[in-house]
Amino acid sequence: KNEVEQSPQNLTAQEGEFITINCSYSVGISALHWLQQHPGGGIVSLFMLSSGKKKHGRLIATINIQEKHSSLHITASHPRDSAVYICAVNLLGGSQGNLIFGKGTKLSVKP
Amino acid sequence: NAGVTQTPKFQVLKTGQSMTLQCAQDMNHEYMSWYRQDPGMGLRLIHYSVGAGITDQGEVPNGYNVSRSTTEDFPLRLLSAAPSQTSVYFCASSYGASSGNTIYFGEGSWLTVV
Repeated sequence: KNEVEQSPQNLTAQEGEFITINCSYSVGISALHWLQQHPGGGIVSLFMLSSGKKKHGRLIATINIQEKHSSLHITASHPRDSAVYICAVNLLGGSQGNLIFGKGTKLSVKP
Repeated sequence: NAGVTQTPKFQVLKTGQSMTLQCAQDMNHEYMSWYRQDPGMGLRLIHYSVGAGITDQGEVPNGYNVSRSTTEDFPLRLLSAAPSQTSVYFCASSYGASSGNTIYFGEGSWLTVV
C-alpha cells in the first residue's frame, strides 16, 4: 500500500476551470509539500505546509492533519498550469531524508 | 543565484561504464540529496548528506556512490552502469536537514544505459 496517494492520476480541464488535486497519506507527518514538474522535467516547490491553508497567486493549498488529507486548488486555470503536481510528506520525527513522494497528478489545461 | 545545478542533462552509457552526475548549489544549504524518478513511481531517495563529510543511504543506494567534500557539491557516481539504472535523476537541497524546509531541485539528468 502506498503511503501517499494522489487523485486523480490524470486530469484534463478547460481553461478557466477550477481544479482540485487531492493527496491522502497514511503516516504521521510533520510537513507536506506540493511540487510542480513541468514538461522538460524541472521540479519546483509550490508550498510547504503543516497546518491550515496557504495561498500564492491562483494556487491554494490546504491540509487537514486529523483527516490526513491535503488539497491543491488552482483557480482560473490556464494552459501554462499544465504540469505534473507531486505531493510529498515528511515523516513525523524524521528529517528531509524521510520524504515520501506520491506518484503525481498529470494536469492538462486546454485553451 | 543559480540555485541547484546538475550536469549533464542527458547521457547515454554502455553497460559496465562508470560516470559521475554533478550537483552544485550556491545557497549554502546543509542538506543535499539524490533521487531517481521512474515511470509510474514516486521519486525515490538514493543517497543524502546533512553536511560536508557526512553522507547516508536512502531507499535505493545499490550501484551508486556519493561523497560530500564541500558544502556546495554532491556528486553521484555510478560504479558500473546497468540497464536498471536508466532513469531521470534529480539532485535537491534544503537549508536544513530537519523537515519543514523548502526543497530546491535541479533540472534533472536523463540517463540511458544500453
